[in-house]
Amino acid sequence: SQKIEQNSEALNIQEGKTATLTCNYTNYSPAYLQWYRQDPGRGPVFLLLIRENEKEKRKERLKVTFDTTLKQSLFHITASQPADSATYLCALDTYNAGNMLTFGGGTRLMVKP
Amino acid sequence: GAVVSQHPSWVICKSGTSVKIECRSLDFQATTMFWYRQFPKQSLMLMATSNEGSKATYEQGVEKDKFLINHASLTLSTLTVTSAHPEDSSFYICSARESQGLAGSPLHFGNGTRLTVT
Repeated sequence: SQKIEQNSEALNIQEGKTATLTCNYTNYSPAYLQWYRQDPGRGPVFLLLIRENEKEKRKERLKVTFDTTLKQSLFHITASQPADSATYLCALDTYNAGNMLTFGGGTRLMVKP
Repeated sequence: GAVVSQHPSWVICKSGTSVKIECRSLDFQATTMFWYRQFPKQSLMLMATSNEGSKATYEQGVEKDKFLINHASLTLSTLTVTSAHPEDSSFYICSARESQGLAGSPLHFGNGTRLTVT
């Protein structure tokens, strides 16, 4: 069966450190992989998109990697800040998905001052 | 940037009544909108894909007669929860894509509607 797995346990790190979140998938062949941030009681906000032929994408303090062999994406936040505390969702976008995204369960990140 | 407005942000209703949730794309046209449901500490579950001018496509297990979707224009989709029951209490979120819904374009989400059925 198809699965998108993110660590359901919260990730607690100290301010200034790099946070690394993992997204693993099985039985998908995504054309794109996207990362979103969701704050409590709010809708998700798009952060980054990476294509299947891209290994790495950066945006300010964010970095995403995409390994289609390992079927894994890593999401990094460098120099983390308490304001980065939120739930981060990965989502897969396949050519045959009818333009819909399928979301992982999300990982909650807590950055402590 | 693209903005999706969802209204109301929260609603409390009595069991057996119906509730309508509106989703508007404010500065772009969306031929396709998506409705999700989210339980506490769980991921987004796609309920249905709303298509402008045609019937919505529902995911398996979602009752189309209970969750009525209308996409009457390129900027407005509505979800009506009919004959609501306490188990329908949840966080409902709509989303839309720019670029005519091309694969790979990001989703823009509304801020969700917290429905509580008493």
